[in-house]
Amino acid sequence: NAGVTQTPKFRVLKTGQSMTLLCAQDMNHEYMYWYRQDPGMGLRLIHYSVGEGTTAKGEVPDGYNVSRLKKQNFLLGLESAAPSQTSVYFCASLSALFGGTQYFGPGTRLLVL
Amino acid sequence: GQQVMQIPQYQHVQEGEDFTTYCNSSTTLSNIQWYKQRPGGHPVFLIQLVKSGEVKKQKRLTFQFGEAKKNSSLHITATQTTDVGTYFCAGLSSNTGKLIFGQGTTLQVKP
Repeated sequence: NAGVTQTPKFRVLKTGQSMTLLCAQDMNHEYMYWYRQDPGMGLRLIHYSVGEGTTAKGEVPDGYNVSRLKKQNFLLGLESAAPSQTSVYFCASLSALFGGTQYFGPGTRLLVL
Repeated sequence: GQQVMQIPQYQHVQEGEDFTTYCNSSTTLSNIQWYKQRPGGHPVFLIQLVKSGEVKKQKRLTFQFGEAKKNSSLHITATQTTDVGTYFCAGLSSNTGKLIFGQGTTLQVKP
C-alpha cells in the first residue's frame, strides 16, 4: 500500500514547454485534488475530481488541465508553462466527505525558466 | 466563492508557552480539517470536526468547531520544539466536494 505517489519529484521547464504531472493512489478513493503551494500563499486548489471521469475547477485553474480516466490516477497538465507556474504541486486523495482523511503525496517541485 | 482565512500567519513562542491559530470561513462548512506540515514535507492530516460546537483533543492539541460551523481553532498547550511547522485548516463543502485550505500559521518554538 503506497498511499499517494507523484511523478516526477522535480522538474525544470522552459517557458512554453508542456508537461504532465501524474498522481496515483492505491486506496480506492473517490476524491482527488491538485494543489499548488507558494510561499505565504498556503495551498491553493487547482482542480479536483469527485469520481472517475469527472473533474471540476478549483481556485486557480487557469493554465492547467486535468483528467481522471482511471479512478486511481489524476493527471495535471501544463500546456504552455509560464514562470508564474513555478511552485510545489501536491496531489491528495480523500476517502470520504464525512469521516474521511485526506492523504497527500510527497509533492512535485516545478521550476519554469 | 468559498474562502478560508487563517490567522496569524506566523507565531514565535518560547518553549512551554501556549499557541492558538484561528480559522474563519466565508461560508458554512460541512466539516473542517486540520493539517500539519513540517518544513520540506507534505501536509499530514491531524483531525476532522463535523458537528457544530464540537471539541476534540489530541494530547496537548485542542480543536474546536464553531457553533455556526464557520470558524475553528487549534490550541496547543505547553509547546515543544517538535510542534514546529505550519498548521493548516481546510474547509469542506459537501455540496461540491471542494476542500479549500487556509493560508496556514507557521509556528516557531524557541527552546
